Amino acid sequence: KAGVTQTPRYLIKTRGQQVTLSCSPISGHRSVSWYQQTPGQGLQFLFEYFSETQRNKGNFPGRFSGRQFSNSRSEMNVSTLELGDSALYLCASSLQSGTYSGNTIYFGEGSWLTVV
Amino acid sequence: GENVEQHPSTLSVQEGDSAVIKCTYSDSASNYFPWYKQELGKGPQLIIDIRSNVGEKKDQRIAVTLNKTAKHFSLHITETQPEDSAVYFCAASTGYGGSQGNLIFGKGTKLSVKP
Repeated sequence: KAGVTQTPRYLIKTRGQQVTLSCSPISGHRSVSWYQQTPGQGLQFLFEYFSETQRNKGNFPGRFSGRQFSNSRSEMNVSTLELGDSALYLCASSLQSGTYSGNTIYFGEGSWLTVV
Repeated sequence: GENVEQHPSTLSVQEGDSAVIKCTYSDSASNYFPWYKQELGKGPQLIIDIRSNVGEKKDQRIAVTLNKTAKHFSLHITETQPEDSAVYFCAASTGYGGSQGNLIFGKGTKLSVKP
């Protein structure tokens, strides 16, 4: 069974540009969440999507957005990139939305974004 | 909002010894506490989790304990091996409103197991 797949794995962008990252959840999983990981701030929640609807959102500026498609695949977009957006962006998936028994959250390998 | 504190930030043990990592949380509504292991260049891998209706859970060499009254939970690794070397993260989630809720992570513990 394939895990959470994220593309691209590595990318370099210039300040002011925008970037789109893609995530394919584990087959059958309908909930997808995104996290940003940096050495200074650690792992921080960006947003969660379930059945194409944003269910929860972290404390990030509006430059960070996302969406989910009918096949549960998700994309996140960062516009007007800043140097501080350099980070590992992680996608996580689970069967459903909710912390009930059996609803384990699995992470992908992440997309490394460098902004120069 | 929820805040998760994790200690220690680094931990070095000899192979075969035990390792303990502790986390405290602030929101008494938190009900789900997973632990993740992250190796260099990889995403976090779930190693064990516990829910608020359980006080202890064990899986081979790994165990997690939860004290709801004190609002802290701990990861115990026994008979450590060099391949246990990694960064370990604790997390807490409230699952508000039926949502997965956001996982609030601790800052991580870099565990080094010396042969």
